[in-house]
Amino acid sequence: GENVEQHPSTLSVQEGDSAVIKCTYSDSASNYFPWYKQELGKRPQLIIDIRSNVGEKKDQRIAVTLNKTAKHFSLHITETQPEDSAVYFCAASIRGWRDDKIIFGKGTRLHILP
Amino acid sequence: EAQVTQNPRYLITVTGKKLTVTCSQNMNHEYMSWYRQDPGLGLRQIYYSMNVEVTDKGDVPEGYKVSRKEKRNFPLILESPSPNQTSLYFCASKGASNQPQHFGDGTRLSIL
Repeated sequence: GENVEQHPSTLSVQEGDSAVIKCTYSDSASNYFPWYKQELGKRPQLIIDIRSNVGEKKDQRIAVTLNKTAKHFSLHITETQPEDSAVYFCAASIRGWRDDKIIFGKGTRLHILP
Repeated sequence: EAQVTQNPRYLITVTGKKLTVTCSQNMNHEYMSWYRQDPGLGLRQIYYSMNVEVTDKGDVPEGYKVSRKEKRNFPLILESPSPNQTSLYFCASKGASNQPQHFGDGTRLSIL
């Protein structure tokens, strides 16, 4: 079955610097890759997503890149701010003819240092 | 307001006492899903439903049951809860394949 590996598990960056979180997936049939941000005590919320027919997507300070050949996708946050501190999850989605599974990475705890 | 509503938000109970966590969405979404979240393990899918009367196992279905009699509701049932089911549970829904999921606020279950 599908497996999603996420690295690093913890990341500390200085405020204003960039942060990069990387995920790899195992099933080449995966075709949708969302990223979620979860603040302490809150529910996961989508911050950006990418579909398998696109290589890169950007939304202000957040960007996601997808390398289908390598089965690898990454989240990039530029000009980090204190409110970026949270746990980030990547996920890979496979839509079969009768199923629709979503597998999450184990998460990255991002600390923005003042 | 579009939302996914879970109840209860918190529950402490004892081993073997059947419990149900309700989930309801008001977005007319076809797809609904349950996850459990444990430290260091991320979000793991328990069960999902692609439509009314259609349910499928996720990665960790053992010890859980679900039903989808109506489009808006997707309850999670623990027939005989055990301490290893102590966790934070999230319900989620989405409108179609390759669309983002909307999560509920979570239910923290403690099984003593």
